[in-house]
Amino acid sequence: NAGVTQTPKFQVLKTGQSMTLQCAQDMNHEYMSWYRQDPGMGLRLIHYSVGAGITDQGEVPNGYNVSRSTTEDFPLRLLSAAPSQTSVYFCASSNPALTSYGYTFGSGTRLTVV
Amino acid sequence: KQEVTQIPAALSVPEGENLVLNCSFTDSAIYNLQWFRQDPGKGLTSLLLIQSSQREQTSGRLNASLDKSSGRSTLYIAASQPGDSATYLCAVSPYSGAGSYQLTFGKGTKLSVIP
Repeated sequence: NAGVTQTPKFQVLKTGQSMTLQCAQDMNHEYMSWYRQDPGMGLRLIHYSVGAGITDQGEVPNGYNVSRSTTEDFPLRLLSAAPSQTSVYFCASSNPALTSYGYTFGSGTRLTVV
Repeated sequence: KQEVTQIPAALSVPEGENLVLNCSFTDSAIYNLQWFRQDPGKGLTSLLLIQSSQREQTSGRLNASLDKSSGRSTLYIAASQPGDSATYLCAVSPYSGAGSYQLTFGKGTKLSVIP
């Protein structure tokens, strides 16, 4: 089924470890973005990309890196995990060329940093 | 900075009732507004999207309206069912000539429909 696929679904990290959250979409969407969702804070934008080779920071980018080498993939890297990065991470994509485009979200990665 | 507020934070209604969820935003220069549904432990499912030039959108028992000048949107759910129980999120995109790449979310309204 077409959509946004995130892996893994669950992950436990120790403080200081690094890891990559994977995001892939098969809808040929130009725009991709990463959000984190925390209780009482809502969803906040971490990084976004408007096309292959182009990325930029969102509201809460510190501690995260992204790259966009292909249209399909937009991985999120945690450089040195901290307990404050415990959260649920969502990847989303959209096609701005569509007149009534909206965002499609993945099912999320639940990350716990101990 | 755009801020999105959703009231109430939680709502409990008996099955069959019609209900309205509210969303307000501080900057009226938006490109579109989108309503999502989120079930516990799950991702976001898009329900309705309203372009800034539109006043409302309908899908089945759902109707979303937009009053950009006053910075308000409502999501109307007719004849509520227990399966409608979920958290409903409102999100706005800023205006951009080339489209938009960023959503600002409200914190959501948690709806419980009692059988």
